[in-house]
Amino acid sequence: GEDVEQSLFLSVREGDSSVINCTYTDSSSTYLYWYKQEPGAGLQLLTYIFSNMDMKQDQRLTVLLNKKDKHLSLRIADTQTGDSAIYFCAASKGPNYGGSQGNLIFGKGTKLSVKP
Amino acid sequence: DAGVTQSPTHLIKTRGQQVTLRCSPKSGHDTVSWYQQALGQGPQFIFQYYEEEERQRGNFPDRFSGHQFPNYSSELNVNALLLGDSALYLCASSFRDGTYEQYFGPGTRLTVT
Repeated sequence: GEDVEQSLFLSVREGDSSVINCTYTDSSSTYLYWYKQEPGAGLQLLTYIFSNMDMKQDQRLTVLLNKKDKHLSLRIADTQTGDSAIYFCAASKGPNYGGSQGNLIFGKGTKLSVKP
Repeated sequence: DAGVTQSPTHLIKTRGQQVTLRCSPKSGHDTVSWYQQALGQGPQFIFQYYEEEERQRGNFPDRFSGHQFPNYSSELNVNALLLGDSALYLCASSFRDGTYEQYFGPGTRLTVT
């Protein structure tokens, strides 16, 4: 089955760019997501990308997808202390499998610490 | 526009007891998925409900069951609780229109003693 892996920790200085990386194993995963989780809270959907795209930009967030290497990254420009959280990468096969929306397979999360 | 809501926020139960968790989807959404997030781990898919039926199920025992009501809200039931069931239970809602955005609620923190 699908396996999603992320590095566990990342520390950056305020104002720098952060890059969080993720790899997945199942080439049939067609939807790839980034979620943010703050302490004691649920998951906030940040952005997602379809496997037929290489890049998606949304304000300070840039997602890059290398489908050949099954590698996904999330770049946060001008990182702020409010960006400190755990970031989860997730993969889904989408509705072509079984006629229903695919369940999400999550990595263990990358804890981003932003130092002032 | 109300987002996904879950109740209760926190719950403490004893081993062997049964628990029911509740979820109301985001307005306009008709599909509800449940996830279990153990401490320090990513969420794991339990099951998904659409049209009041379980459509997909993850690798969880039959002690975990659910229900979806005509108004699209959902319940997660766990019987014969084990210490290992202690986790944050997350509900996510989505709409089957070809957009695959799953929105999560704040979760219910279940502690089994």
